[in-house]
Amino acid sequence: DQQVKQNSPSLSVQEGRISILNCDYTNSMFDYFLWYKKYPAEGPTFLISISSIKDKNEDGRFTVFLNKSAKHLSLHIVPSQPGDSAVYFCAASGKTSYDKVIFGPGTSLSVIP
Amino acid sequence: DAGITQSPRHKVTETGTPVTLRCHQTENHRYMYWYRQDPGHGLRLIHYSYGVKDTDKGEVSDGYSVSRSKTEDFLLTLESATSSQTSVYFCAISGGQGYGYTFGSGTRLTVV
Repeated sequence: DQQVKQNSPSLSVQEGRISILNCDYTNSMFDYFLWYKKYPAEGPTFLISISSIKDKNEDGRFTVFLNKSAKHLSLHIVPSQPGDSAVYFCAASGKTSYDKVIFGPGTSLSVIP
Repeated sequence: DAGITQSPRHKVTETGTPVTLRCHQTENHRYMYWYRQDPGHGLRLIHYSYGVKDTDKGEVSDGYSVSRSKTEDFLLTLESATSSQTSVYFCAISGGQGYGYTFGSGTRLTVV
């Protein structure tokens, strides 16, 4: 039973428009949420994170929103660029360093020039 | 993937043979992890380590064992490889909670 869900396996967006990637989780004990980006034949790379005490975190073109009551988070990319085409993994973990990070199945984003 | 390397990058092996994958880090991080990536499943944790000789199981640990005799090396062993273990294996390191994981470039393992 997946604790972190990404219900859209793929998403296509025009260059310059907004990309919105969604993620839902089931475990209310999760305290920390992360997004990773993965290009083919490479390892995932950390993109942005948010603590459960916040509802928004922004880093350049990337913003993550957290809605704890709905157990939902989203990653917004504005404006989208062709280089953003990759697989995006949503992930979540508990409060301590011993808590494992649980990853979602990923969403493949294609940004069309 | 600076500071973390995986070897080999690619391997083809026969069913029933033992296989060892190596993860090496130069960051002196305490935490190390082995994940496998499969379509539709994302990244699933196999085993992890929170210090030398301190390891624990993840969600898909059956058929795998690990060892960590030095801070910098974390070995993953498939005791008797099966076709269901054909996958891409990623090692990750972490400095602790609040730090994003740094992943290696992966090992593509094919069991025939």
